[in-house]
Amino acid sequence: GEDVEQSLFLSVREGDSSVINCTYTDSSSTYLYWYKQEPGAGLQLLTYIFSNMDMKQDQRLTVLLNKKDKHLSLRIADTQTGDSAIYFCGRSSQGNLIFGKGTKLSVKP
Amino acid sequence: DAGITQSPRHKVTETGTPVTLRCHQTENHRYMYWYRQDPGHGLRLIHYSYGVKDTDKGEVSDGYSVSRSKTEDFLLTLESATSSQTSVYFCAISGGPGDSYNSPLHFGNGTRLTVT
Repeated sequence: GEDVEQSLFLSVREGDSSVINCTYTDSSSTYLYWYKQEPGAGLQLLTYIFSNMDMKQDQRLTVLLNKKDKHLSLRIADTQTGDSAIYFCGRSSQGNLIFGKGTKLSVKP
Repeated sequence: DAGITQSPRHKVTETGTPVTLRCHQTENHRYMYWYRQDPGHGLRLIHYSYGVKDTDKGEVSDGYSVSRSKTEDFLLTLESATSSQTSVYFCAISGGPGDSYNSPLHFGNGTRLTVT
């Protein structure tokens, strides 16, 4: 299987919470990351979590890490149309990042 | 965009021609990376640099070479472009003062390359 896996699509209604999930195979990563990519743009770092943490909250974003299950999730509260984008999960690996293929989040008004 | 400029932003070239993409940073970061992004493959690492004149191969390095003669510039060269190298290329940097080895990457806005 892939090193970092994400579901490809997620559709939510405006105002609902979005949860984007990611699984990975290598537990040696020091950091795990979430990036956002809007059309025609580069990847923007949203948040990251150190591997010895279980949770990190930053305004509308909550990251949960289950190291035992090698599962990372990103919850976006009160999702807005401006949150529509592709979200990439990434894990650190010897000085670079290995990414999943991205989850396209569509937010319906 | 963390002080990263990629040039050109768009390029169309013919099969067999050499192409050089440039990444310029103003952050004095140590590490620089070239990724390509393709539908169904996400982002894949081509080459990276951990200092001036220090480079190494990534996952998809065949057909590409890089050079880093100054901290601020990282060049990606396609020696003889092929249609399979049509892609969006992203430069990224990391490793500013005080950053750890695995600090976050910051990306440029990409170069869209089409090989006809």
